[in-house]
Amino acid sequence: DGGITQSPKYLFRKEGQNVTLSCEQNLNHDAMYWYRQDPGQGLRLIYYSQIVNDFQKGDIAEGYSVSREKKESFPLTVTSAQKNPTAFYLCASSIGWQGRTTDTQYFGPGTRLTVL
Amino acid sequence: KNQVEQSPQSLIILEGKNCTLQCNYTVSPFSNLRWYKQDTGRGPVSLTIMTFSENTKSNGRYTATLDADTKQSSLHITASQLSDSASYICVVSVRDTPLVFGKGTRLSVIA
Repeated sequence: DGGITQSPKYLFRKEGQNVTLSCEQNLNHDAMYWYRQDPGQGLRLIYYSQIVNDFQKGDIAEGYSVSREKKESFPLTVTSAQKNPTAFYLCASSIGWQGRTTDTQYFGPGTRLTVL
Repeated sequence: KNQVEQSPQSLIILEGKNCTLQCNYTVSPFSNLRWYKQDTGRGPVSLTIMTFSENTKSNGRYTATLDADTKQSSLHITASQLSDSASYICVVSVRDTPLVFGKGTRLSVIA
């Protein structure tokens, strides 16, 4: 059963703590993405990776960090430097980077992070 | 600045009725336009992808149109069902840059 998995579905964190959100895909996709979704707003890009061992900042990268050591994994760390981290986080992947292809972007089920 | 505007912000229709959602964009250079459906608390699911040369594309009861001259797209839903209740997001691809997302239209289908 192919797809993208994100864990956990719900995450609670105390202010000042770092937390890592997991994203795994078994679709053999080269490109992976992290988005943040807030109520009443469109998805905003945090980081993206066109290929393993490479990643670029998106529109709102401050306070976040990523790694892409394996093709199937793209974890996102929300650091204490992120001023307003409570949000719904979505991971996605596509065969090739969507900036140069019409490849469909497949999304995971999301992780809802709440900072207490 | 690349932007995608969707209207209406929200819509309520009776089951079995048709509806049309609108998307206007100002991006350059345009690559393709996508429509996604997002159920509450879930990740978006792709409905259609259209390139510059495509005027219309269907996916079951969903039909998307694209007018590249006026930079407008629409998503028409035929014979709506309760399961169509979701947010519908218009997304535009700009060559060599990340996708530009609209804020979505929240559709509620009631019995």
